[in-house]
Amino acid sequence: QKEVEQDPGPLSVPEGAIVSLNCTYSNSAFQYFMWYRQYSRKGPELLMYTYSSGNKEDGRFTAQVDKSSKYISLFIRDSQPSDSATYLCAMSQGAQKLVFGQGTRLTINP
Amino acid sequence: GAVVSQHPSWVICKSGTSVKIECRSLDFQATTMFWYRQFPKQSLMLMATSNEGSKATYEQGVEKDKFLINHASLTLSTLTVTSAHPEDSSFYICSAPRPSGKDTQYFGPGTRLTVL
Repeated sequence: QKEVEQDPGPLSVPEGAIVSLNCTYSNSAFQYFMWYRQYSRKGPELLMYTYSSGNKEDGRFTAQVDKSSKYISLFIRDSQPSDSATYLCAMSQGAQKLVFGQGTRLTINP
Repeated sequence: GAVVSQHPSWVICKSGTSVKIECRSLDFQATTMFWYRQFPKQSLMLMATSNEGSKATYEQGVEKDKFLINHASLTLSTLTVTSAHPEDSSFYICSAPRPSGKDTQYFGPGTRLTVL
């Protein structure tokens, strides 16, 4: 079993839809949770960062962490074609070493 | 803001040759940098942790004699793929911890290596 599980998709939704992406994990020692966006042939770009459980909102993006269920989510409201990318969840125990999910390929159709 | 750069962005080499990839933190110092490898449509796999002034720490299954890492200064780490073979063809990405103290990282733009 992988430490971090993420559905690779692909996921295709119409413009304006709410997108829900999620990851599950098995290591209860993870304390830091991140979502990265990666465009094709580019390095990952940090979107959201959360420490421990709770919600965090930044513009159209909301990140949720439920440590009791070992489940994290990223919601994208009013999705735009420019949001089309691969979204990677990542986690760490606090030693800077990140463990990534497989990434979900998202396409927003105009 | 803080940025991590990589050079080259794309390299093609013949089998058996060595290729060096540079990773630089542009406006901050990084005593630690990380090297990842990413195959098409797959996630990032941590290869090694590069430590300034000391030996790199390699993840299990990564050949340290194959992938030489040198952290020459507080802003530069290099990854050398020695005696490259077609199976080494991949997307190599480096990262450096954010100076803010949060446990997350800035990533470089990646280097695409193709070994013929």
